[in-house]
Amino acid sequence: AQTVTQSQPEMSVQEAETVTLSCTYDTSESDYYLFWYKQPPSRQMILVIRQEAYKQQNATENRFSVNFQKAAKSFSLKISDSQLGDAAMYFCAYRIPRTGANNLFFGTGTRLTVIP
Amino acid sequence: EPEVTQTPSHQVTQMGQEVILRCVPISNHLYFYWYRQILGQKVEFLVSFYNNEISEKSEIFDDQFSVERPDGSNFTLKIRSTKLEDSAMYFCASMRDGSYEQYFGPGTRLTVT
Repeated sequence: AQTVTQSQPEMSVQEAETVTLSCTYDTSESDYYLFWYKQPPSRQMILVIRQEAYKQQNATENRFSVNFQKAAKSFSLKISDSQLGDAAMYFCAYRIPRTGANNLFFGTGTRLTVIP
Repeated sequence: EPEVTQTPSHQVTQMGQEVILRCVPISNHLYFYWYRQILGQKVEFLVSFYNNEISEKSEIFDDQFSVERPDGSNFTLKIRSTKLEDSAMYFCASMRDGSYEQYFGPGTRLTVT
């Protein structure tokens, strides 16, 4: 069974500082995708960053980067130079690339507060 | 930028009643999904829909649930006889063919009393 665990229900960071959100997952698959989604208050979830399991290089999108440790089944998100607009719920998610399905398995989320 | 929309934003219903939650996916997307999130719990997959049929469903998606794409734009989730435990936020998502990214709607909060 696929499970995704986010052990930090809440995190806070000072504006302009760096914060790391943790995520671990459990799977027997060798090929899969990992995602971080952001859900601002009263807004829809949007994709922040994704990582393909076959890629060794960690994904980076501007101020967002991941630390993907396949052997440890760990996928953390680092937000650099935090901004007030980064305040949101962050969900780690996983899926198997399979034709016709592609459903996501989510963690319970981490609520990030950015302190001015 | 195109967005997935959902209506209503909040639905209150009595136990045993039928509800229909509506979604308008992004127009050129071919994969459609429903997820739900019970308050304080994780987002859970319910069902995926592709080529006018269910492609996968979870254990949650029992006979009380059904999905439909009645026309070229809407994608609906029907719960035939709601239970208290159906109270949750329901998210619709869509994805275009060949992509990895699911686009989510803002959700419908369903409250069953």
